[in-house]
Amino acid sequence: SQQGEEDPQALSIQEGENATMNCSYKTSINNLQWYRQNSGRGLVHLILIRSNEREKHSGRLRVTLDTSKKSSSLLITASRAADTASYFCATDELFRGMRFGAGTRLTVKP
Amino acid sequence: DSGVTQTPKHLITATGQRVTLRCSPRSGDLSVYWYQQSLDQGLQFLIQYYNGEERAKGNILERFSAQQFPDLHSELNLSSLELGDSALYFCASSGVATGAGGGSYNEQFFGPGTRLTVL
Repeated sequence: SQQGEEDPQALSIQEGENATMNCSYKTSINNLQWYRQNSGRGLVHLILIRSNEREKHSGRLRVTLDTSKKSSSLLITASRAADTASYFCATDELFRGMRFGAGTRLTVKP
Repeated sequence: DSGVTQTPKHLITATGQRVTLRCSPRSGDLSVYWYQQSLDQGLQFLIQYYNGEERAKGNILERFSAQQFPDLHSELNLSSLELGDSALYFCASSGVATGAGGGSYNEQFFGPGTRLTVL
């Protein structure tokens, strides 16, 4: 079963707009990571947020974490067509491996 | 380029057959992970090896097995293949990355995947 559940499943926006994706998880975590996947290719690590952090920034990416609600959000600001991809949240469970959500498919129209 | 290589890129085979997928981790990485990505199941963690030893197990079927060799490359063996085994199989490797503020976390670097088609 999926540890993380992203929503929305698909998001279509215009270039320049902001994109927000959400992720919920079920168990206690040490950290939560976001990955990006271009169609049919391997995943690329974007950003990690620890359980004792509430917000983290990396370039145009902003991640928040609410451990009381077991949820995280990824915000991509000033989106570009090249941001078109699927985005996954993932949690790392000791001895059980990385659990990925179902992903949000983002389409940025030029 | 993540530094993780996987072969073959594509594999087409028939039901009941057995195949072996190969993965070479990034130089210096001791951990290798295998994932299956299909349309209906999403990205599923199968198994992890660390320096030759099994470290964690996920949703890996009994028909599937893996191993990590002394040179740290890994192989995933899929046997008695069924139509539903058609998927992208990814390998990832990791060392241990240190995050800002100290501590360690497990950033994984993914290979390009092997697309398996079972006919």
